[in-house]
Amino acid sequence: AQSVTQLDSQVPVFEEAPVELRCNYSSSVSVYLFWYVQYPNQGLQLLLKYLSGSTLVESINGFEAEFNKSQTSFHLRKPSVHISDTAEYFCAVSSHSGGYQKVTFGTGTKLQVIP
Amino acid sequence: DAGVTQSPTHLIKTRGQQVTLRCSPKSGHDTVSWYQQALGQGPQFIFQYYEEEERQRGNFPDRFSGHQFPNYSSELNVNALLLGDSALYLCASSLGGGAGYTFGSGTRLTVV
Repeated sequence: AQSVTQLDSQVPVFEEAPVELRCNYSSSVSVYLFWYVQYPNQGLQLLLKYLSGSTLVESINGFEAEFNKSQTSFHLRKPSVHISDTAEYFCAVSSHSGGYQKVTFGTGTKLQVIP
Repeated sequence: DAGVTQSPTHLIKTRGQQVTLRCSPKSGHDTVSWYQQALGQGPQFIFQYYEEEERQRGNFPDRFSGHQFPNYSSELNVNALLLGDSALYLCASSLGGGAGYTFGSGTRLTVV
């Protein structure tokens, strides 16, 4: 079985300040890790993913996440947030078994950027 | 390049009724997964279809069923609707066992 824990349900942060959204996972097999973003009344958009290789992955809009196997974490960070980053962020873990993947999502973290 | 298309976008049904939701995957994708996202919750896995067969299923009752067509599009059917079935239903497509889903915008189902 696998699980994802996002401890912070809401994170308020001032514009241009740094932010970290925490994600911890549990799995008995090797995993892929993802961050998705959801804007109000929309579906989920893939923000970034870790499959293999470098443990630091980046998105095109300034977010980055680092895979830490020893701490089973995949925290999302951005050095300077914008108003447009206000959204809900979901961490997800995928285990690849038997030719297909099983994806489990966390409960989400609402990022509120304050002007 | 069209992404994942879901229809309808919104739906209101009465308790006990049946509903069918539709999904067209992203071009080139052959696997469709369905998720239920209740208000304030993360997406919960319902089931996944590949080669017109259900190959994974989450912890959902048999009232939830699905189908995948030869063109890879998919339907989610829910029978005997309950108030608790009110949620955003998300369809995600991928290529075989590949990592990373492309999500549709979802169908908002309200059961009254």
